[in-house]
Amino acid sequence: AQTVTQSQPEMSVQEAETVTLSCTYDTSESDYYLFWYKQPPSRQMILVIRQEAYKQQNATENRFSVNFQKAAKSFSLKISDSQLGDAAMYFCALQGGSEKLVFGKGTKLTVNP
Amino acid sequence: KAGVTQTPRYLIKTRGQQVTLSCSPISGHRSVSWYQQTPGQGLQFLFEYFSETQRNKGNFPGRFSGRQFSNSRSEMNVSTLELGDSALYLCASSLGDRDGGELFFGEGSRLTVL
Repeated sequence: AQTVTQSQPEMSVQEAETVTLSCTYDTSESDYYLFWYKQPPSRQMILVIRQEAYKQQNATENRFSVNFQKAAKSFSLKISDSQLGDAAMYFCALQGGSEKLVFGKGTKLTVNP
Repeated sequence: KAGVTQTPRYLIKTRGQQVTLSCSPISGHRSVSWYQQTPGQGLQFLFEYFSETQRNKGNFPGRFSGRQFSNSRSEMNVSTLELGDSALYLCASSLGDRDGGELFFGEGSRLTVL
């Protein structure tokens, strides 16, 4: 079975600063994908960033980057220069082989002006 | 192009009733997945349909069922509603080729069971 654990139910950050959201996972698949999805209040969930497990290079999308530690089964999200619009629930997710996409329970990020 | 559309957006039912939720995926997407989202349990996978066939199923009782039509639109049905079924039901569509493709989510159908 695949599992995803987000140990931080809530985080807060000052506008313009950097914050890191943690995620650990477990899978027996050798080929898998990891994702961070963002769900703003009362709005639909959107993909933030995606990482292919076979790629050693960490994925980056503008102010969003990941720290993928395959041996440790860790996949953290770093948000640089935080903006008010970054306030949302962030979900870490894992898809391996033919398995369904499994989500963590989420981290609620508050951005303080 | 149009995004994923879920209807209805909000609904209130009483225990014992049944409900049907609808999802229209992005044009060209053949996979539709359904998730139940609650504050306590987070996002829990219900089922995935691909080309009218159920490809994956989560650990929900048989009261939860779904189907997909030839135009890829999907419906899910919950019979004999219980209070614990109150949740946001999210539908997501994708190309379905299982290479880590992005899921595109609808805004959800918020079900309240009284």
